[in-house]
Amino acid sequence: AQSVTQLDSHVSVSEGTPVLLRCNYSSSYSPSLFWYVQHPNKGLQLLLKYTSAATLVKGINGFEAEFKKSETSFHLTKPSAHMSDAAEYFCVVSKNIKEAAGNKLTFGGGTRVLVKP
Amino acid sequence: NAGVTQTPKFRVLKTGQSMTLLCAQDMNHEYMYWYRQDPGMGLRLIHYSVGEGTTAKGEVPDGYNVSRLKKQNFLLGLESAAPSQTSVYFCASSYYYEQFFGPGTRLTVL
Repeated sequence: AQSVTQLDSHVSVSEGTPVLLRCNYSSSYSPSLFWYVQHPNKGLQLLLKYTSAATLVKGINGFEAEFKKSETSFHLTKPSAHMSDAAEYFCVVSKNIKEAAGNKLTFGGGTRVLVKP
Repeated sequence: NAGVTQTPKFRVLKTGQSMTLLCAQDMNHEYMYWYRQDPGMGLRLIHYSVGEGTTAKGEVPDGYNVSRLKKQNFLLGLESAAPSQTSVYFCASSYYYEQFFGPGTRLTVL
């Protein structure tokens, strides 16, 4: 069994300041982990993925995430928030990279990011 | 290249009515999925398909049926809508690990 907990349902930051979105996972296996972003009234878009290679993963739009097995965490960060980062972010876990192409994705509850000018 | 498209974008149903949601993808992907999104619960998988002519149940399949008669299309049906099915429905397709999502259908059941 696997599960994902996003520790903050809402995060508010000022433009130009760092963003931190926290995600903890539970898995009986060495998981694959993903962050997806959903802009208002849009579908989800893949930001980045961890697939057991480098533990620090860089994604699109300046985001990065670090896989920490000892802490079972996969937090998402960005050094400087932009107004266009206002969106909802989902942390997603899969049993392994092959099963990510099937039905084995488990989504966190989402973190809504507000960026203040 | 339209990616994943969904029809309709919005719909209001009365309890007991039926409807079909259409998902189409032009990326030649084998895998297709239907999810529902409810506040604070992320996305939950309803049904999925690993290829033309195949379907399988996901996490929350009750009250829904699906069909994949053509590789590019994946239909989601509600035979007798209930207020608990008020939600935003997303279709997705994938070739490997990355899933590509449609823009969603907002369904309200009164």
